Amino acid sequence: QKEVEQNSGPLSVPEGAIASLNCTYSDRGSQSFFWYRQYSGKSPELIMSIYSNGDKEDGRFTAQLNKASQYVSLLIRDSQPSDSATYLCAVKIQAGTALIFGKGTTLSVSS
Amino acid sequence: ETGVTQTPRHLVMGMTNKKSLKCEQHLGHNAMYWYKQSAKKPLELMFVYSLEERVENNSVPSRFSPECPNSSHLFLHLHTLQPEDSALYLCASSQEHSGGPWEQFFGPGTRLTVL
Repeated sequence: QKEVEQNSGPLSVPEGAIASLNCTYSDRGSQSFFWYRQYSGKSPELIMSIYSNGDKEDGRFTAQLNKASQYVSLLIRDSQPSDSATYLCAVKIQAGTALIFGKGTTLSVSS
Repeated sequence: ETGVTQTPRHLVMGMTNKKSLKCEQHLGHNAMYWYKQSAKKPLELMFVYSLEERVENNSVPSRFSPECPNSSHLFLHLHTLQPEDSALYLCASSQEHSGGPWEQFFGPGTRLTVL
């Protein structure tokens, strides 16, 4: 069974610190990887996508992918209280199939 | 309108009612999805339509009936629901082709309460 695993948290970091969110997946054929942010009562918002091994940076966010280890992470630099949310990792196996989501990690940034 | 829209945003219904949720995507995508999200539970995929054909159906009870009349519109018809069906129902869309990137975008959701 194809799975995506995340630590549910909560992950607590002080304002200005780096938050590190991790995700592992079971299917070696996975091709695309996504991070979504979901505020309480709201829908998931796509914040990062990554397809190749290595790092991808977008503002304060960096996604890291290691296909050999079947591991994808999200780093949030200079964390702000507004980053407090649940972060969902999602994996795409191939075209025409739905994303497989993890259960999400709750991040709390304290001021 | 831009992105993915859903109506209504909130719905309260009795167990004997029949109602429909509507989703519309303005992104030119060719695949649409229904998800259910219950309190403190992960996203649960219900249905997938790709090129207007249902390609996945995750053993959803027959009281939920999807309809995809074209690539821009998706409906979820509800009848004889149970209180445990109360949840946030999310619609999403993506562009499916062999090269990717397959980014999936969500609508704002419909908060459903079944009395």
